[in-house]
Amino acid sequence: IVLTQSPGTLPLSPGDRATLSCRASQSVSSSYLAWYQQKPGQAPRLLIYGASSRATGIPDRFSGSGSGTDFTLTISRLEPEDFAVYYCQQYGSSPLTFGGGTKVENK
Amino acid sequence: QVQLVESGGGLVKPGGSLRLSCAASGFSFTDYYMTWIRQAPGKGLEWLSFISSSGATIYYADSVKGRFTISRDNAKNSLFLEMNSLRAEDTAVYYCARKPPTDAFDIWGQGTMVTVSS
Repeated sequence: IVLTQSPGTLPLSPGDRATLSCRASQSVSSSYLAWYQQKPGQAPRLLIYGASSRATGIPDRFSGSGSGTDFTLTISRLEPEDFAVYYCQQYGSSPLTFGGGTKVENK
Repeated sequence: QVQLVESGGGLVKPGGSLRLSCAASGFSFTDYYMTWIRQAPGKGLEWLSFISSSGATIYYADSVKGRFTISRDNAKNSLFLEMNSLRAEDTAVYYCARKPPTDAFDIWGQGTMVTVSS
């Protein structure tokens, strides 16, 4: 399953709302879709699993939605620490695949 | 605390071999699948392989099938990745991660760098 993320780069300001898209080439089984955040020099961190469930310790400004082939990660109000690269991933069928990433940059 | 620590990375010549290790602590290792992911410099994430709790189920990405072997030692809370026939395009940071059986990768190690160059 090929995951296509858009946009590639999202220039926004603190306080803005961020909407990130992840489109799958075929249906993702049982909504086994996750979102990760990665900052420079750090390992990725799980934000969302099962398309819409927040991982432990993730603030509620992060939310996930979608099913089938279209998924969205929304950050309601960007905090300075949210500027990073975000990846979607499907883990419902092998090979597990990641999207190419969306960089949320500070405008 | 829950922790994964990779080791074994380094510089290796094309065609060479390397064995990566991932030491797990702070959780019941046998309750979880484990997985390897890599990230080439400046690039995105690429899933490589996962192994079930018992080791009975293993999957590989096509890019490493036949060259890389994943294994685990549950008595030592350790995960391994044996890498053979290494190529320049295998140069990357290699991460191990914990995977609940029906869920995403919830804990990641800090990564170990592998450089394949003559």
